[in-house]
Amino acid sequence: TQTVSQSDAHVTVFEGDSVELRCNYSYGGSIYLSWYIQHHGRGLQFLLKYYSGNPVVQGVNGFKAEFSKSDSSFHLRKASVHWSDSAVYFCAVSAWNYNVLYFGSGTKLTVEP
Amino acid sequence: DPKIIQKPKYLVAVTGSEKILICEQYLGHNAMYWYRQSAKKPLEFMFSYSYQKLMDNQTASSRFQPQSSKKNHLDLQITALKPDDSATYFCASSQERGGNTGQLYFGEGSKLTVL
Repeated sequence: TQTVSQSDAHVTVFEGDSVELRCNYSYGGSIYLSWYIQHHGRGLQFLLKYYSGNPVVQGVNGFKAEFSKSDSSFHLRKASVHWSDSAVYFCAVSAWNYNVLYFGSGTKLTVEP
Repeated sequence: DPKIIQKPKYLVAVTGSEKILICEQYLGHNAMYWYRQSAKKPLEFMFSYSYQKLMDNQTASSRFQPQSSKKNHLDLQITALKPDDSATYFCASSQERGGNTGQLYFGEGSKLTVL
């Protein structure tokens, strides 16, 4: 059974700040990890994914995430946030070679001016 | 232009009735999925289809029935509606159900309210 935990339900930062959104997973086999963004009232959009190789993956709009096997984590980071980054961010896990994703509970990021 | 079209965007139903949620994707994908998002639960996987065949079903209730009449269609029929069915239902797709993509494309969702 795979589980994804996003410990922070809400994160508030100011525009220009850096931000880290936390994701921890539990899974017994090889996995894919990914992050998605959901703006209010919209569907989810893919940000980035990791399955092997360089543990730091770059995504769209300046987002990057770092995989850590030892910590079972896949935290999302951005060096300088913009107000348009305000949204709910979901971490997801899927078994390797299998595109059914299981999502965490989401972190609502609010970027204040 | 949206590549995954879900209809209707909003719908209200009475308890005990039946509704069908429509999903069409124009990405040429072979795998389609249904997810549910409610206030009580985070995004919850329901079904996956591959080449119009049901592959995964993690919905306990038989009141939820996916239907694939065409390769790029995956509708969701919900019968005997209950207030707990109130949620936003998202359709998604990927090139294949297997394969090393780890990326889904989502529609905008159909928000169902059951009174």
